[in-house]
Amino acid sequence: GEDVEQSLFLSVREGDSSVINCTYTDSSSTYLYWYKQEPGAGLQLLTYIFSNMDMKQDQRLTVLLNKKDKHLSLRIADTQTGDSAIYFCAERSMDSNYQLIWGAGTKLIIKP
Amino acid sequence: DVKVTQSSRYLVKRTGEKVFLECVQDMDHENMFWYRQDPGLGLRLIYFSYDVKMKEKGDIPEGYSVSREKKERFSLILESASTNQTSMYLCASSPPGQPSYEQYFGPGTRLTVT
Repeated sequence: GEDVEQSLFLSVREGDSSVINCTYTDSSSTYLYWYKQEPGAGLQLLTYIFSNMDMKQDQRLTVLLNKKDKHLSLRIADTQTGDSAIYFCAERSMDSNYQLIWGAGTKLIIKP
Repeated sequence: DVKVTQSSRYLVKRTGEKVFLECVQDMDHENMFWYRQDPGLGLRLIYFSYDVKMKEKGDIPEGYSVSREKKERFSLILESASTNQTSMYLCASSPPGQPSYEQYFGPGTRLTVT
């Protein structure tokens, strides 16, 4: 079946940029998503990118999509302690009206 | 703001008990989902529903059932709880036809089966 992979942990210093990476296998992906889960909370949509785009920027967040390599990244500029969370990558394929395929989540740890 | 609420934040049940997890959304969304979240495994879809009384199996439906009698409420039932069902359970809802197909999540229920 289709798969989404991401590393489980990332540690960065406060003020540095964080780059969270994700790879996927489904070549018919239509939308790719980044969700954020803060401690003790449910998930919230952070941003998404349509598969015909290469880049999307929203304030401190930059999403890069390399469709040829099936690689998605999320860059957080000037990382703050409030960015500590688990970040999930997810993709929706053309074959599915409802379901998302989820990565395992990357826990972002901020060092002072 | 979309609100998805779950009946309990923490639940402790004994092996063999029947367990009901309730989820309610207030935005008239057609689609509702139940996931379980385990460390290192991410979110795995148990069941989803795209309309009242309609349900579809997700990736891991074994040991679970669901009920959707009203549009706003989606219940997850563990017929006979087992220790391997100890997990965080997340409910989500989404409207149809949105370009982003965003799913809105509840805060989760951490279930421990002893």
